[in-house]
Amino acid sequence: DAMVIQNPRYQVTQFGKPVTLSCSQTLNHNVMYWYQQKSSQAPKLLFHYYDKDFNNEADTPDNFQSRRPNTSFCFLDIRSPGLGDAAMYLCATSRGGRVQETQYFGPGTRLLVL
Amino acid sequence: QKEVEQDPGPLSVPEGAIVSLNCTYSNSAFQYFMWYRQYSRKGPELLMYTYSSGNKEDGRFTAQVDKSSKYISLFIRDSQPSDSATYLCAISWGGGGNKLTFGTGTQLKVEL
Repeated sequence: DAMVIQNPRYQVTQFGKPVTLSCSQTLNHNVMYWYQQKSSQAPKLLFHYYDKDFNNEADTPDNFQSRRPNTSFCFLDIRSPGLGDAAMYLCATSRGGRVQETQYFGPGTRLLVL
Repeated sequence: QKEVEQDPGPLSVPEGAIVSLNCTYSNSAFQYFMWYRQYSRKGPELLMYTYSSGNKEDGRFTAQVDKSSKYISLFIRDSQPSDSATYLCAISWGGGGNKLTFGTGTQLKVEL
């Protein structure tokens, strides 16, 4: 049973062409996260939502934005992708915001920028 | 200096071997320690979670934390080919809305 679903699994975009990645969850969790994972690097938190409250990491570029229209869905918008934005983008959810709450990850969307 | 350091491997062992995976961290404020397993083309999944120094066992897996040395380990006994994956340590200081700092991951291959 899929719990955290990411679409598409692979996305190819052109340099500078806006792209949107999507995440949905069937867990009814309050918190949703977006991570960027470049090849052979650690996943890096970009931002997260606690319900409708948006929390941006200080070093997340302005080029990255997010929307959460309802509990189930969260989107990652990259306004003008550069070659350096090619990465795996992971969505995760947790029931609450305490560290003891397990984060459940989706399979990721691999973004290629041409 | 990175907050969390992890040997990227790859590490190749024969089936049945004991595997030791390690991370070091620099911030003594970190209190919560996790190990995630990531299969190829999948997202990470939580394997083990510990809070205090000492050992925690779950089947073939043992997580060990030494806060005095800022060193954490994951031991896998009787390793199986199905254990072949990338193992990421993840650490948190407990605030920031469940913010995790991940290591780069160690790629493990268990050979038949």
